[in-house]
Amino acid sequence: KQEVTQIPAALSVPEGENLVLNCSFTDSAIYNLQWFRQDPGKGLTSLLLIQSSQREQTSGRLNASLDKSSGRSTLYIAASQPGDSATYLCAVRGLRSGNTGKLIFGQGTTLQVKP
Amino acid sequence: ETGVTQSPTHLIKTRGQQVTLRCSSQSGHNTVSWYQQALGQGPQFIFQYYREEENGRGNFPPRFSGLQFPNYSSELNVNALELDDSALYLCASSLLGGAEAFFGQGTRLTVV
Repeated sequence: KQEVTQIPAALSVPEGENLVLNCSFTDSAIYNLQWFRQDPGKGLTSLLLIQSSQREQTSGRLNASLDKSSGRSTLYIAASQPGDSATYLCAVRGLRSGNTGKLIFGQGTTLQVKP
Repeated sequence: ETGVTQSPTHLIKTRGQQVTLRCSSQSGHNTVSWYQQALGQGPQFIFQYYREEENGRGNFPPRFSGLQFPNYSSELNVNALELDDSALYLCASSLLGGAEAFFGQGTRLTVV
């Protein structure tokens, strides 16, 4: 059974710091991995999608890497800003899910960037 | 903005009642999935609809049911509401085959 874990659960950093959020998964048979941002009480905003054949994806100040064999992904945020404060969720789509599209989520890392 | 819209945004129901939540998928997307997110937790997969049929289901009882319409919009119905059904319900649309999922803003359901 696929399980997704995110560490740390919460993180507080001063503005301008570079930071890394971690995501680990127990079954390496994944189709893809997706990172999301969630503001309090809101829906999910897709940040980056990494296919299982890819090693990393970049969008602006965000860079996500994927090491399928070790069951790990990291989200790197460069030069953090107060507007980056949110909960960050990673989710995997397993090969065994077939076409169901089922995403399995971690519990998220809540990030606070202090001015 | 993802193009996925959900209604209503907030809802309060009494235990034992029934509720219907609605989702309009992003243009061109033929697949809709529903998730339940309890406070402080990651979203949990309820089910997915493709071509108006359920084609995958998570660990949720039969009182959770859904519909998908020819225009790919969808409904989530929950019967016999329980207090533990209080959560944020999220709808996601995508193309079948594991493509990127786009989520709506969610419906906050409170059962009292």
